[in-house]
Amino acid sequence: DAKTTQPPSMDCAEGRAANLPCNHSTISGNEYVYWYRQIHSQGPQYIIHGLKNNETNEMASLIITEDRKSSTLILPHATLRDTAVYYCIVRVESKLTFGTGTRLQVTL
Amino acid sequence: DGGITQSPKYLFRKEGQNVTLSCEQNLNHDAMYWYRQDPGQGLRLIYYSQIVNDFQKGDIAEGYSVSREKKESFPLTVTSAQKNPTAFYLCASSIFWQGGANVLTFGAGSRLTVL
Repeated sequence: DAKTTQPPSMDCAEGRAANLPCNHSTISGNEYVYWYRQIHSQGPQYIIHGLKNNETNEMASLIITEDRKSSTLILPHATLRDTAVYYCIVRVESKLTFGTGTRLQVTL
Repeated sequence: DGGITQSPKYLFRKEGQNVTLSCEQNLNHDAMYWYRQDPGQGLRLIYYSQIVNDFQKGDIAEGYSVSREKKESFPLTVTSAQKNPTAFYLCASSIFWQGGANVLTFGAGSRLTVL
């Protein structure tokens, strides 16, 4: 099973870029990397996913290393509303398995 | 708007009582999932269903039961056999997975407290 490792917490100043790392060294060739976030007591929200190439959407950018063993989620201009727990997930068969994620605190 | 509706949002029950949590989706998704979340923890998969009338156990299925009689609905019953049922329960849905990417859409959750 591919599993992920994330730092438990990070801080970021408002307006600066937030770079959230994720290690998934056992990922297999056809497994996607997904990022979700969860604001306190709400359901997780999908952010972005990728396989090999870097991806960007209106919320964030995803940078995946060439060997696919790690990735970084980038929030280019963090705001207070980005304070949340961010989950990096790799599919295991037909289900997504969540770890404990990174708690991002955006401060003034 | 398409989405997932979970009800009730808050539920209090006495120990030993069975409880059923509702999950309904109008996204025309084939697959549905139930996760449990404890304070400060990540999500753990309870049950999932890829198609109607079929479901599989997740990582923590003991003390829970589900049914999938309709595509739109995937109710979860927390039975008296579940030793520590107080938790935040999340329902999700997705298209039928055949390889490739599969994005989950989540409901707002149901918070169960057993007194």
